[in-house]
Amino acid sequence: EVQLVQSGAEVKKPGESLKISCKGSGYSFTTYWIGWVRQMPGKGLEWMGIIYPGDSETRYSPSFQGQVSISVDKSISTAYLQWSSLKASDTAIHYCGRLAVAPAPSPALAKNYYYYFMDVWGTGTTVAVSS
Amino acid sequence: EFVLTQSPATLSLSPGERAILSCRASQSISNYLVWYQQKPGQAPRLLIYDASNRATGVPARFSGSGSGTDFTLAISSLEPEDSAVYYCQQRRTWPPSFGQGTRLEIK
Repeated sequence: EVQLVQSGAEVKKPGESLKISCKGSGYSFTTYWIGWVRQMPGKGLEWMGIIYPGDSETRYSPSFQGQVSISVDKSISTAYLQWSSLKASDTAIHYCGRLAVAPAPSPALAKNYYYYFMDVWGTGTTVAVSS
Repeated sequence: EFVLTQSPATLSLSPGERAILSCRASQSISNYLVWYQQKPGQAPRLLIYDASNRATGVPARFSGSGSGTDFTLAISSLEPEDSAVYYCQQRRTWPPSFGQGTRLEIK
């Protein structure tokens, strides 16, 4: 079964750092892009950025560029979302997800055959930032 | 930037009725439109991609249509478990963007 299991809820103070995780299983982790989506309390969904575990190529939404950092440790099939200095406005549920792919002519080209939507979603990590 | 506007904001219907949810794009996105369902306390779930293709395991009562700027998600013969918020999302360009959601309540 394809799964993305995220780390548990976090309660932090403004200015603190944080790294949350997303562990994939049941599929070839290195050949699917992973994305992160934010959902602020009672609000809709926003794409934050994506990463390709095979080579750690990363792309950020302009709204989140410089605000967060996305990384991956492919040896343990885990992607990360990190903040160096949290703000109260970072309070949200953060979801990771696997980006859907199209058939690639060869495994070496898999990185380029993907779509900007998620076919598998993680369990979500709630981050609460308050003084 | 592609802005998606969903209507209505809330829809309240009875079991067995048909629901029609709308999503309008600020400019043409061809058929690069995706629908998700999010139940309370859960992660979103992929329902429809490329405007009209049902994702694996999605019941046939869910159907999508449209192209260009106007899209529709139809749910025939509503069931209690269809109560959720439904989001559309364009996959035409980076960054992808979501509509604000339609809350479907089953009476």
